[in-house]
Amino acid sequence: RKEVEQDPGPFNVPEGATVAFNCTYSNSASQSFFWYRQDCRKEPKLLMSVYSSGNEDGRFTAQLNRASQYISLLIRDSKLSDSATYLCVVNPMNYGGSQGNLIFGKGTKLSVKP
Amino acid sequence: NAGVTQTPKFRILKIGQSMTLQCTQDMNHNYMYWYRQDPGMGLKLIYYSVGAGITDKGEVPNGYNVSRSTTEDFPLRLELAAPSQTSVYFCASRFITGTSTNYGYTFGSGTRLTVV
Repeated sequence: RKEVEQDPGPFNVPEGATVAFNCTYSNSASQSFFWYRQDCRKEPKLLMSVYSSGNEDGRFTAQLNRASQYISLLIRDSKLSDSATYLCVVNPMNYGGSQGNLIFGKGTKLSVKP
Repeated sequence: NAGVTQTPKFRILKIGQSMTLQCTQDMNHNYMYWYRQDPGMGLKLIYYSVGAGITDKGEVPNGYNVSRSTTEDFPLRLELAAPSQTSVYFCASRFITGTSTNYGYTFGSGTRLTVV
């Protein structure tokens, strides 16, 4: 099983749609979780951290299910500007050394159409 | 506050040439990383550093070297460039305390390298 797995997509949705991305991770001891956004030919940028109780930032909602080792990102009222690749990212441990290295999924591509 | 700065943005190398990709950060982050990203693929860790004077190999270190003489700078050296090193290279930094790793990476804008 890969460390972080995501559906590669692409997800093609109309403006205003709600879209959900899922991600699973293999290391049950993982401590920190993030969603990054990467635009074409650009660097990844932190979209939001994912907390155990779930968290929301405007149109974006992240959920974590530790028992199932599953993370999700929900985007409501999709905008054209949401078109990008969304990377699921996991920190395997909660201390430094090599465990401070984030593990990146390959990303899910989203295309929002007019 | 510039964040993470990478130079150059683009470079074409001939097979066998060498070059250094520069990375500097002004956020006083202790951890720094070099990743490569091939088209349609995920990020692969080349080298990382947990502080000045300390470096370690990542997933794909062959053909590369790094140094970390200061907190701010983390250059990546390519020796004897090969076509397989054609990729986009991202430098990143992160602040980690002894009790929390709840901070994500800050990435530089990348260096697009082509080896011909």
